[in-house]
Amino acid sequence: GQQLNQSPQSMFIQEGEDVSMNCTSSSIFNTWLWYKQDPGEGPVLLIALYKAGELTSNGRLTAQFGITRKDSFLNISASIPSDVGIYFCAGQLGGADGLTFGKGTHLIIQP
Amino acid sequence: KAGVTQTPRYLIKTRGQQVTLSCSPISGHRSVSWYQQTPGQGLQFLFEYFSETQRNKGNFPGRFSGRQFSNSRSEMNVSTLELGDSALYLCASSPQGQGQETQYFGPGTRLLVL
Repeated sequence: GQQLNQSPQSMFIQEGEDVSMNCTSSSIFNTWLWYKQDPGEGPVLLIALYKAGELTSNGRLTAQFGITRKDSFLNISASIPSDVGIYFCAGQLGGADGLTFGKGTHLIIQP
Repeated sequence: KAGVTQTPRYLIKTRGQQVTLSCSPISGHRSVSWYQQTPGQGLQFLFEYFSETQRNKGNFPGRFSGRQFSNSRSEMNVSTLELGDSALYLCASSPQGQGQETQYFGPGTRLLVL
């Protein structure tokens, strides 16, 4: 099936650094979502974007819905240890359509 | 409100057997979607149910099936299990499965096929 190109695959950063990851697609989506998954758990929604060009923040997290509707990025500012985990982007065309996921970005924070 | 619950959390089966997994959506949510997560393929959409009807289906063989009950609880079934079916199976629910609704995921059922 179709998948999104998510990069980077992994990031090794120091606590306090800013983080940036992005997703691109060959086809358009009407919704872009960012999830975080901790070991042994299901994905938890971080930010939902519903409009091309939209920039949305949730605390230290900021995400944007690309103007072409084929890409999105997620920024995390001033990383803390609990930010460790796998971050997934997901695109959705319509409400009943399944989510198309990226392969994930594994964030590791070095003390 | 209680979140999405899935049972069982862990399951071990052998090749050729069949398995049934259960999902209870968030109270009031009527749309239930199923996903398979593997290290190689990542998260992939299986199917979506609303009002006991399958509205959408991903690219999986017919061995994968599901159903939804009148109380919105859903089950998925995998027949004639193969080693490659070992995966984390995730269920997600949303109110109506319409645009601009968030899908909330359960913790998943981890299936190991030996």
